[in-house]
Amino acid sequence: EADIYQTPRYLVIGTGKKITLECSQTMGHDKMYWYQQDPGMELHLIHYSYGVNSTEKGDLSSESTVSRIRTEHFPLTLESARPSHTSQYLCASSAHEQYFGPGTRLTVT
Amino acid sequence: ILNVEQSPQSLHVQEGDSTNFTCSFPSSNFYALHWYRWETAKSPEALFVMTLNGDEKKKGRISATLNTKEGYSYLYIKGSQPEDSATYLCASLEYSGGGADGLTFGKGTHLIIQP
Repeated sequence: EADIYQTPRYLVIGTGKKITLECSQTMGHDKMYWYQQDPGMELHLIHYSYGVNSTEKGDLSSESTVSRIRTEHFPLTLESARPSHTSQYLCASSAHEQYFGPGTRLTVT
Repeated sequence: ILNVEQSPQSLHVQEGDSTNFTCSFPSSNFYALHWYRWETAKSPEALFVMTLNGDEKKKGRISATLNTKEGYSYLYIKGSQPEDSATYLCASLEYSGGGADGLTFGKGTHLIIQP
C-alpha cells in the first residue's frame, strides 16, 4: 500500500477564508502532483513538482498555489476560497506509476 | 490536452458474469496507459501501466490489453465479484520530451456487481 497522506479528508469552509490542503509521502518520490475533480468530471492536473523548489502549473488553470520546500511535503493553498473551488483534490507522487492519496473533499459555502 | 474517453459510463453486472470496458486515447505521442481502480472514500489503486503495442497484462481475475496504433485499451474482469464494484479509471501519459508528465484521465466506468 502506498504511503501518501492527505489532510483534511473533508472540509467545509466559508467564502473568503484561506485554506491549505496538506499532502505528504514517505516513499522519497521526487515527482508529486495535484489533481482536481469536479463532480461528474475527470481528474485534471492542476500542479506538479519534479523535486524540492520545483513547482509548475498543470493542464487545468487553478487559482491555487503550491510549494515544495521538502521532498515529502507538497501543500496546496487557496488564499481566498470561493464556491467555485468546491471540488475534490487528489495528491499523487511517482517514481514510475503514480500513487494517490485518499483526497480532500472541499466545500466552500 | 489529450482527450481520453471511457465507455460505458456505468455498468451493472451480475455476480459471476464476466465484463469488459473500453478506454480510447489519442495515439500520437503516446507514452503509457494507466488503469486505476477507485473505490469510494479510498485512494485510486494502480492496476496496470502499459506501454507496448499489443501488451497484455493480468492481475488475478482482471486483465487489460493495449493497442497503441488505434488508440484503445480494454479492461476485462472474469467472474465478477461484489468486491469488484468500483470506478475504473484509465489515464494516458503523453511523451513530452521532459515536460509535464501528469496523467490525462477519462471520466471512468462505474461498475456495480449485483449479487
